[in-house]
Amino acid sequence: AQRVTQPEKLLSVFKGAPVELKCNYSYSGSPELFWYVQYSRQRLQLLLRHISRESIKGFTADLNKGETSFHLKKPFAQEEDSAMYYCALKRSGANNLFFGTGTRLTVIP
Amino acid sequence: ETGVTQSPTHLIKTRGQQVTLRCSSQSGHNTVSWYQQALGQGPQFIFQYYREEENGRGNFPPRFSGLQFPNYSSELNVNALELDDSALYLCASSVPGGVTEAFFGQGTRLTVV
Repeated sequence: AQRVTQPEKLLSVFKGAPVELKCNYSYSGSPELFWYVQYSRQRLQLLLRHISRESIKGFTADLNKGETSFHLKKPFAQEEDSAMYYCALKRSGANNLFFGTGTRLTVIP
Repeated sequence: ETGVTQSPTHLIKTRGQQVTLRCSSQSGHNTVSWYQQALGQGPQFIFQYYREEENGRGNFPPRFSGLQFPNYSSELNVNALELDDSALYLCASSVPGGVTEAFFGQGTRLTVV
């Protein structure tokens, strides 16, 4: 079985401060991990995926297989980063996603 | 607009009734997945359709059923509605296999009273 855990339902940081949204997973195989974001009144959209190893809107996330984590980080939070963030896992060979419960990030001006 | 579109956006049904939700996939995408998102929760996988066949199913009872049409659009049907079926239903389209991005629709908010 697989599980995605986002321990923080709410996270508030000041503008310009670093932000880290935590994601831990459990899965016996080799997962693909994603971060999805939902801005206010917008649809759920992909932010980044671990295999791309890219930075999107200043966000990065590294897959740590030893700690089974895929934390999302940004060195300097911006007000426009305020949104709901979901960590998601895709099992190898599958095409559906398992989502965590999400973290609502609020960036305080 | 070639994105994923869902209809209706909102609806209210009575317990025991049946409901049909519709989804048009993104242009070029032949795989459609449905998710249920209860309040305060992440989306939960219901099932996926590929080439008009169910191609994977989550932990949902048989009263949740679906269809996919030759143009890749899809329907989600729920029979014998229960109060706990109240949720946001999301449709996502993608291309099959490999690393893929799922494009989500805005969702249909279903309220069962």
